[in-house]
Amino acid sequence: DAGITQSPRHKVTETGTPVTLRCHQTENHRYMYWYRQDPGHGLRLIHYSYGVKDTDKGEVSDGYSVSRSKTEDFLLTLESATSSQTSVYFCAIRRRQGATYNSPLHFGNGTRLTVT
Amino acid sequence: QQQVKQSPQSLIVQKGGISIINCAYENTAFDYFPWYQQFPGKGPALLIAIRPDVSEKKEGRFTISFNKSAKQFSLHIMDSQPGDSATYFCAASKDDYKLSFGAGTTVTVRA
Repeated sequence: DAGITQSPRHKVTETGTPVTLRCHQTENHRYMYWYRQDPGHGLRLIHYSYGVKDTDKGEVSDGYSVSRSKTEDFLLTLESATSSQTSVYFCAIRRRQGATYNSPLHFGNGTRLTVT
Repeated sequence: QQQVKQSPQSLIVQKGGISIINCAYENTAFDYFPWYQQFPGKGPALLIAIRPDVSEKKEGRFTISFNKSAKQFSLHIMDSQPGDSATYFCAASKDDYKLSFGAGTTVTVRA
């Protein structure tokens, strides 16, 4: 799990309610990412962070916000959950290994979110 | 609009056979092409990766073939084993900090 903890692991919520997912890392990496995984779409980038308070949008950012007030925590918030946000959400870190071109992403074990 | 197109969606192979998964991309700026393996209930894990300056990379039973002119790359799993049954994702990025993934291929290896 590369020192990544996602919480909760499972959540069921109702349409229109706010939801916050947490990603915690123990290795002090600069880059952190939120992806969602859906059948037929693979993994799609929602938001990423390149440092404390430094975040940017990915390809499917509508309806999501993020915050990073500490290096170790990256929060994903659904302000008003919709059924289309039912998905498995993965957090990842970019673990630097030597030269810049050798920095694979390491993923947590995911949060399964169901919006009813 | 998926930046990396992956096929097939699923495949079944006999133990000892070869599994082949193909990916194609459009963005010629991509310079990092990893493959990830995912087991049920787990996050994807890096399997093998290649840069466009080489045409092939092999690690154990896993080989990436890369065709820069065709903008295609593929994963070959030689001597497939039941433990290889998983979902495989190809991906691509520029400067390896923001990956775009393919849709995934579910591989089933029959004993």
